[in-house]
Amino acid sequence: EPEVTQTPSHQVTQMGQEVILRCVPISNHLYFYWYRQILGQKVEFLVSFYNNEISEKSEIFDDQFSVERPDGSNFTLKIRSTKLEDSAMYFCASRARYEESSYEQYFGPGTRLTVT
Amino acid sequence: AQRVTQPEKLLSVFKGAPVELKCNYSYSGSPELFWYVQYSRQRLQLLLRHISRESIKGFTADLNKGETSFHLKKPFAQEEDSAMYYCALIRGGNAGNMLTFGGGTRLMVKP
Repeated sequence: EPEVTQTPSHQVTQMGQEVILRCVPISNHLYFYWYRQILGQKVEFLVSFYNNEISEKSEIFDDQFSVERPDGSNFTLKIRSTKLEDSAMYFCASRARYEESSYEQYFGPGTRLTVT
Repeated sequence: AQRVTQPEKLLSVFKGAPVELKCNYSYSGSPELFWYVQYSRQRLQLLLRHISRESIKGFTADLNKGETSFHLKKPFAQEEDSAMYYCALIRGGNAGNMLTFGGGTRLMVKP
């Protein structure tokens, strides 16, 4: 069964450094998402992406964040200058067209980002 | 703005006992509600969605619009049900279809 994959599984970086988190969504999916979960807190929506552009973003997704789908398979989240409070588990998700699966989103295993 | 509340962080029951994980939401429109489950060291996966009205692994959930609730129930808990359960909402008609999650409830089923 196809799955969403994410790399790396764990990323440690120093404050102020740039990080890129990578995701490979399920191949025929059209909608892509990033969520994050700070330890002990809720899973929070960051951004959704469709047809090569951002369709929605949350207040968390400020100018320090960007997303890109550089080729037909990868979907990346970049944090330009990391802060301590960016430490969290970052989840990528994807979904097919509504007619194929309702609104079911398929999640990756997550990347744990630790900013020191 | 929409909000999902799961009042219990931890629910501990014995095997064979009934289980009810509570979920309440606030949203002025017509939402779609989901239950996601995360077993130990595994990814988040969809368990139930309200529109399909199905029973998965013995779990059911009914959307009660009057009480704005979507509680998850199972008559007889099994040890393999131990996991983290998240209630989530999608706003109706939202093209981006972002999920708004509750804080999650950890279910522990003791032998």
